Amino acid sequence: QLQLQESGPGLLKPSETLSLTCTVSSGSVSSSTYYWGWIRQPPGKGLEWIGGIHFGGTTYYNPSLKSRVTISVDTSKNHFSLKLSSVTAADTAVYYCARLRGTGPGRGYFNYWGQGTLVTVSS
Amino acid sequence: DIVMTQSPDSLAVSLGERATINCKSSQSVLYSSDNKNYLAWFQQKPGQPPKLLIYWASTRESGVPDRFSGSGSGTDFTLTISSLQAEDVAVYYCQQYYGSPLTFGGGTKVEIK
Repeated sequence: QLQLQESGPGLLKPSETLSLTCTVSSGSVSSSTYYWGWIRQPPGKGLEWIGGIHFGGTTYYNPSLKSRVTISVDTSKNHFSLKLSSVTAADTAVYYCARLRGTGPGRGYFNYWGQGTLVTVSS
Repeated sequence: DIVMTQSPDSLAVSLGERATINCKSSQSVLYSSDNKNYLAWFQQKPGQPPKLLIYWASTRESGVPDRFSGSGSGTDFTLTISSLQAEDVAVYYCQQYYGSPLTFGGGTKVEIK
């Protein structure tokens, strides 16, 4: 059974850079069949897609966040990562990593999710 | 962006009764080249990540009980729980994957009456 686990700091100050890693187990980020993505959910609110990546390096980002987001993959460590720069309180959310089944990093549905990690931005 | 609008925001249904959730997209998510609707449904219970229930608007994910069904085409879609069970209390989301950015509906909370 594929498992995804997010890791990274849970508390940031405004203007800092959020850095999260998603470690994949019982599966490979190098699969040509699947894509990998990040989704966030502010407390008590709905879901927002941040972006996605294929192991070959193709990325897709939500235009609303594109100027601040970088998603990368490390096949040697079997994980992929999210960086979000210049965070504000509006970036406080549970951040999920997920595997996307589809035709591209920005075109598919998520069939496996990590448990999520809460990132709080506060001074 | 394709805007996904769900209705109602919440509903309370008696155990064993039918629950119906609607999802409307701001533009068609039916791809003419393969005649598929690029629409998925998820269930999210408190403190848990979303769980995929339905993709291609009507295909149940493996392991999902058959009381869950999806229907619709183009811009109007429905998730139906044919006989509500206590374990179905959750928030349900639709998601379109026709175009980037991927977008989700605002969610529908299902409770027991």
